[in-house]
Amino acid sequence: SQKIEQNSEALNIQEGKTATLTCNYTNYSPAYLQWYRQDPGRGPVFLLLIRENEKEKRKERLKVTFDTTLKQSLFHITASQPADSATYLCASGDKIIFGKGTRLHILP
Amino acid sequence: EPEVTQTPSHQVTQMGQEVILRCVPISNHLYFYWYRQILGQKVEFLVSFYNNEISEKSEIFDDQFSVERPDGSNFTLKIRSTKLEDSAMYFCASSEGQGAAYNEQFFGPGTRLTVL
Repeated sequence: SQKIEQNSEALNIQEGKTATLTCNYTNYSPAYLQWYRQDPGRGPVFLLLIRENEKEKRKERLKVTFDTTLKQSLFHITASQPADSATYLCASGDKIIFGKGTRLHILP
Repeated sequence: EPEVTQTPSHQVTQMGQEVILRCVPISNHLYFYWYRQILGQKVEFLVSFYNNEISEKSEIFDDQFSVERPDGSNFTLKIRSTKLEDSAMYFCASSEGQGAAYNEQFFGPGTRLTVL
């Protein structure tokens, strides 16, 4: 069955550094991948979408890459801030399949 | 900024009771969705809805679930006979068009359902 996996449950990063989160997919070839932010007790908030023919997408301090050979997407937050602390979800598909998420803590 | 709203924020019910979760999607959106998230687990797709019909549904969305757009603004999820394992956060979402590749889904704040 199609799977989206985010292997890191939690990640601690020092403020100002770049946070890099990983999303791997198996048993299918998604046409696109999405990244969401979820704060505790809240719904997911869409951040970025990258299509299979795009290697990289940027939005302010966010960057997403899509490597169809490695079957992987990387999500980067540069110059990280404590306000970036949240759970980040990778997702794909029209019946969106979500990964379990990575809890990111930016340490002041 | 327009947003999806959901009521109630928290619903407590006894096992076997019926519950209706309510959502008001963004006004110009045409596609509506329900998801659920059991505590500590993934967000899971339940159903999508367009033009007063279910477009797609997951294996989770069995006969005890139903959706309805009773008027021009509300979108509801009914669970006929709740079970303990239905306890979860239920999220409504809406989008302008179909296909998550081209149409961002906006999520509501969720309804926490607790079945006792």
